[in-house]
Amino acid sequence: IAGITQAPTSQILAAGRRMTLRCTQDMRHNAMYWYRQDLGLGLRLIHYSNTAGTTGKGEVPDGYSVSRANTDDFPLTLASAVPSQTSVYFCASSAGTDNSPLHFGNGTRLTVT
Amino acid sequence: AQSVTQLDSQVPVFEEAPVELRCNYSSSVSVYLFWYVQYPNQGLQLLLKYLSGSTLVKSINGFEAEFNKSQTSFHLRKPSVHISDTAEYFCAVSDPAAQGYQKVTFGTGTKLQVIP
Repeated sequence: IAGITQAPTSQILAAGRRMTLRCTQDMRHNAMYWYRQDLGLGLRLIHYSNTAGTTGKGEVPDGYSVSRANTDDFPLTLASAVPSQTSVYFCASSAGTDNSPLHFGNGTRLTVT
Repeated sequence: AQSVTQLDSQVPVFEEAPVELRCNYSSSVSVYLFWYVQYPNQGLQLLLKYLSGSTLVKSINGFEAEFNKSQTSFHLRKPSVHISDTAEYFCAVSDPAAQGYQKVTFGTGTKLQVIP
């Protein structure tokens, strides 16, 4: 089934540790996104990529980095995790036009202790 | 800047009763409107969208939403809910004037709890 695969499903991470959340899509979408979902705040955009080789900052980029080496993969890295980064992280993709719906993965639940 | 307001964080409703989930948005430009549904431990899925044309849009599972430009609303309705409709629903707007990327703003979500 076509879609977005995220790994791991969940992770408990000690503060200060480095962590990479993986995201792969097989829909050949140009645009990919990372959101975090927190209770009462909805979804907030962390970083985005309009096409392979380009990335940009979203609403809450501090403490996170991304890369887009190819169309399919869009990993999110926490260089030195902090407890405020405890959240559910969703990767999404779209065709990239402003009326395109977003397609989401099932999320990674990250707890930073 | 655009924003989306979902005033109801939780909506309990009995099975087979009607439901309305409210969504209001603010934007200085015309926007595209979406409703997404999130089932437990899953990502969001597109439920329906308004891009242009008829202001009433429908999903395949009985939900509908009406775009009201004067009231800047996009409320979601279903005439008779089922247990399987229990989920969290997110209203979202996409700004066609955004520069650089597809800017989607989400509401904070409404949890629909269908009571047997």
